[in-house]
Amino acid sequence: DAKTTQPPSMDCAEGRAANLPCNHSTISGNEYVYWYRQIHSQGPQYIIHGLKNNETNEMASLIITEDRKSSTLILPHATLRDTAVYYCIVRSAHGSSNTGKLIFGQGTTLQVKP
Amino acid sequence: NAGVTQTPKFQVLKTGQSMTLQCAQDMNHEYMSWYRQDPGMGLRLIHYSVGAGITDQGEVPNGYNVSRSTTEDFPLRLLSAAPSQTSVYFCASNSPGNTIYFGEGSWLTVV
Repeated sequence: DAKTTQPPSMDCAEGRAANLPCNHSTISGNEYVYWYRQIHSQGPQYIIHGLKNNETNEMASLIITEDRKSSTLILPHATLRDTAVYYCIVRSAHGSSNTGKLIFGQGTTLQVKP
Repeated sequence: NAGVTQTPKFQVLKTGQSMTLQCAQDMNHEYMSWYRQDPGMGLRLIHYSVGAGITDQGEVPNGYNVSRSTTEDFPLRLLSAAPSQTSVYFCASNSPGNTIYFGEGSWLTVV
């Protein structure tokens, strides 16, 4: 699975959009980009994933560049409860390499401020 | 539907003791895995299983054993606890190609 690079920390004002970047320059064609977050050392929580098209769900939007070497997670209206560590992970979603393994980096600590 | 359930939530062990962290899932997921998380670090894979009777090692398997006798359960055994195994342990499960779900964690301190 490809490795990812994220900034160690970011701040965001409450109510504003939080844009969290991720570089995954070695991503291969069958690898998806996943985002998880971890609040107060709870179990990681799934946010969103995508292959090459932009994706949106009730929690966030995921923008993937055309060359797929980077992506941005967007929390459109950040709240204090969004303060967490956000992990960007790439993994194969199909085929023999998908065994439930995730390779976590250190993630981005997002601090939402009032 | 409880999802992924881990027990115990907190445990203190003395060096050299053995214990088992329990993990159960009620989603009929084929894949299960164990991670550990040290302070300020991301999660690291210890062992994983792609089905009953099948297990394999992850990044940091030393000092841990697993078995998968049923689809629902995936216990993690510490054979002889060491202070370096003080950590938070997370169990996870998923169906092939689908989202991975995590338990709430088990805090282990080895003194």
